[in-house]
Amino acid sequence: RKEVEQDPGPFNVPEGATVAFNCTYSNSASQSFFWYRQDCRKEPKLLMSVYSSGNEDGRFTAQLNRASQYISLLIRDSKLSDSATYLCVVNPYSTGKLIFGQGTTLQVKP
Amino acid sequence: DADVTQTPRNRITKTGKRIMLECSQTKGHDRMYWYRQDPGLGLRLIYYSFDVKDINKGEISDGYSVSRQAQAKFSLSLESAIPNQTALYFCATSDLPGTGGNTGELFFGEGSRLTVL
Repeated sequence: RKEVEQDPGPFNVPEGATVAFNCTYSNSASQSFFWYRQDCRKEPKLLMSVYSSGNEDGRFTAQLNRASQYISLLIRDSKLSDSATYLCVVNPYSTGKLIFGQGTTLQVKP
Repeated sequence: DADVTQTPRNRITKTGKRIMLECSQTKGHDRMYWYRQDPGLGLRLIYYSFDVKDINKGEISDGYSVSRQAQAKFSLSLESAIPNQTALYFCATSDLPGTGGNTGELFFGEGSRLTVL
């Protein structure tokens, strides 16, 4: 089993749609969680950290479920500019290195 | 100027050649990483270093070596390049998580695209 797993998609949605991505992780000791966004041929950039209480940044909401060991990202009112690959990243303090999921590709269409 | 700088940005080389990818950072972070990215496989960790005297293998270190010349510099070497090392390579840095509110967020360079013929 991979340490961090994501549905690779692609998710093809119309503008204005709400879309959700899930990510599961295997190390229950994991302490930090992130969603990164990567545009084609570019470096990944932090979209948002994921906190135990859940957090929201504009149209984006991240949730953490420690009991089931998954994190989620919800995007409301999708824009064309949201088209990208979304990477789930987990930082298990016990190992100290960040582990990436394979990424979920989102394509928002007019 | 970018906080994390990688050179070269693009390189085409032949099988058997030695290649070095360099990374420098101005963020003052102790932790540095080398990842490679292949289509459909996400980012995989090659090597990482938590300080100048610390070097650790990642999940795919075979065929690679690294050198941490200073806190700000971390280079990746391919001693004898082979075609399946054709990939996009990223250097990244992070601070120690849990200190001063840091969460261990990664800051990436712009990537080095390597093609081995």
